[in-house]
Amino acid sequence: GAVVSQHPSWVICKSGTSVKIECRSLDFQATTMFWYRQFPKQSLMLMATSNEGSKATYEQGVEKDKFLINHASLTLSTLTVTSAHPEDSSFYICSAIAGGNEQFFGPGTRLTVL
Amino acid sequence: DAKTTQPNSMESNEEEPVHLPCNHSTISGTDYIHWYRQLPSQGPEYVIHGLTSNVNNRMASLAIAEDRKSSTLILHRATLRDAAVYYCILSRYSGYALNFGKGTSLLVTP
Repeated sequence: GAVVSQHPSWVICKSGTSVKIECRSLDFQATTMFWYRQFPKQSLMLMATSNEGSKATYEQGVEKDKFLINHASLTLSTLTVTSAHPEDSSFYICSAIAGGNEQFFGPGTRLTVL
Repeated sequence: DAKTTQPNSMESNEEEPVHLPCNHSTISGTDYIHWYRQLPSQGPEYVIHGLTSNVNNRMASLAIAEDRKSSTLILHRATLRDAAVYYCILSRYSGYALNFGKGTSLLVTP
């Protein structure tokens, strides 16, 4: 199956700093990628839809100025958490559509903000 | 999207078959039934999907009720590696963002 990678797999940062997470489709091109967030013991929640070459679409309650998404190419989308705070600590997961009727997910990035 | 209902948890013995149920009484005619699973600290993994007919692949089988108001994911021989949270999700197209519910946490014991 298609492979989606994320980098880094985990990151620890100080409160107030910004963190960038990369999502790459390794063997296919993805015009659309999704970003999800998962808090401990909870399910995945959609944060935004990332479209190549255009602005991302954010879900209600997700601050677009805080979670910056850039989908500059057909194989790369980035999520930047700006001025991160402890409440932003979470498991961030991206996914991409490879064609057909399957959505492939990345392995996730564990963000811990001290 | 129509809602699905799954048991919070299930337990199975290793090498036994596992039947994971999912109710979706408000499913529309164009909704596909998708199953994903998530191992601890990993992203979700596609398992199987179907529309009306039963489906088989190397990972599992999907049995869909004739009225499509319920479905069952069947793992033919559970292994310890199958311990995960299994999500039953309805979507007209996998190209849409998926609405993950709480899923069923499967525990496999040796």
